[in-house]
Amino acid sequence: GENVEQHPSTLSVQEGDSAVIKCTYSDSASNYFPWYKQELGKRPQLIIDIRSNVGEKKDQRIAVTLNKTAKHFSLHITETQPEDSAVYFCAAFYTGGFKTIFGAGTRLFVKA
Amino acid sequence: DTGVSQDPRHKITKRGQNVTFRCDPISEHNRLYWYRQTLGQGPEFLTYFQNEAQLEKSRLLSDRFSAERPKGSFSTLEIQRTEQGDSAMYLCASSLQGAVEQFFGPGTRLTVL
Repeated sequence: GENVEQHPSTLSVQEGDSAVIKCTYSDSASNYFPWYKQELGKRPQLIIDIRSNVGEKKDQRIAVTLNKTAKHFSLHITETQPEDSAVYFCAAFYTGGFKTIFGAGTRLFVKA
Repeated sequence: DTGVSQDPRHKITKRGQNVTFRCDPISEHNRLYWYRQTLGQGPEFLTYFQNEAQLEKSRLLSDRFSAERPKGSFSTLEIQRTEQGDSAMYLCASSLQGAVEQFFGPGTRLTVL
């Protein structure tokens, strides 16, 4: 069945360093890849997304890269700040269908 | 607040009881999704509505779970004969027709004793 693997499960960085989270998906029909940030006790919120016809997308300190051939996509956060501390989820979605498959999440700690 | 809302926010029930949750999507959104999230995991897809039609349901979803969206606006998720394994956060999300971004509600945390 469809699956999204996410690594690492926990990531601790020093403030100002970069953080990278990686995901691999199994369904080659997936063509939309969102990333969500979930703070403790709050709802998931979309922070960036990428479609399969694009290899990279950047929004200020956040960037996402996609390798369709390898079925890999990654989230890059530069100049991390303590408020970046949260759980981050990657997901894969086929826009011709209805199901979003989420990764298990990465708990990011940014130490001041 | 014009975002997705869910009610109740917390529900504690005894094993074997039935529970029902409600989701109110963003008003112009015709797509509605239900997810279940357990501690340390990502949201797990349960079911999807386009307007009032339930177009997809997870194969993993027990027959004890049923969802409705009778008028294409709010949706309800019912769990019959609850089990301790049903304890989780139940999230609802909505999106516009033709759009892919899903907006999540705050969730209903279910605890089955």
